[in-house]
Amino acid sequence: DGGITQSPKYLFRKEGQNVTLSCEQNLNHDAMYWYRQDPGQGLRLIYYSQIVNDFQKGDIAEGYSVSREKKESFPLTVTSAQKNPTAFYLCASSPQGVPGELFFGEGSRLTVL
Amino acid sequence: GQSLEQPSEVTAVEGAIVQINCTYQTSGFYGLSWYQQHDGGAPTFLSYNGLDGLEETGRFSSFLSRSDSYGYLLLQELQMKDSASYFCALLYNQGGKLIFGQGTELSVKP
Repeated sequence: DGGITQSPKYLFRKEGQNVTLSCEQNLNHDAMYWYRQDPGQGLRLIYYSQIVNDFQKGDIAEGYSVSREKKESFPLTVTSAQKNPTAFYLCASSPQGVPGELFFGEGSRLTVL
Repeated sequence: GQSLEQPSEVTAVEGAIVQINCTYQTSGFYGLSWYQQHDGGAPTFLSYNGLDGLEETGRFSSFLSRSDSYGYLLLQELQMKDSASYFCALLYNQGGKLIFGQGTELSVKP
């Protein structure tokens, strides 16, 4: 079945450590996205990529980095520079020519101790 | 700038109709989407309005008025399973920079 796979589902890290969240899709979608969600809040855009080897900053890119070396993969690194990294991270993708519709993964919940 | 406003909570009874409003202040966008998210889960797409007017998909309808900077999601024949958070989101370019509102938590009571 086609879909978006995020891993790990839960992750605990100590303050000061970098952590990389995986996002893989087999939907053949061109565009991929990373959002952050805090309790009771909306989704805030971290980074997005419309094509391989290209990506753009969203509204809250500071302290995060991404790469898009393959169409299927869009990993997110939460660096030690991110002041408040504990959150629910959602990866999504969308097909070319289908406006406004994102397909989301099940999310990764990061807790920094 | 980009700013979307939604009510934080709405409560309705099973079988009723509820409207969730979304107002925005922006300098230009392609369209307005709506998403549903159950507690702890992944958001799922409900509808997209690229043009002004009403889009109907089963029990759910969505409306957009660019002149009024306003949209809404209409849920009919409410069911308990409709209890969830609902988000409006503005699409800023065809490649899909989608910016979300803060969400409305809908509680459906028996």
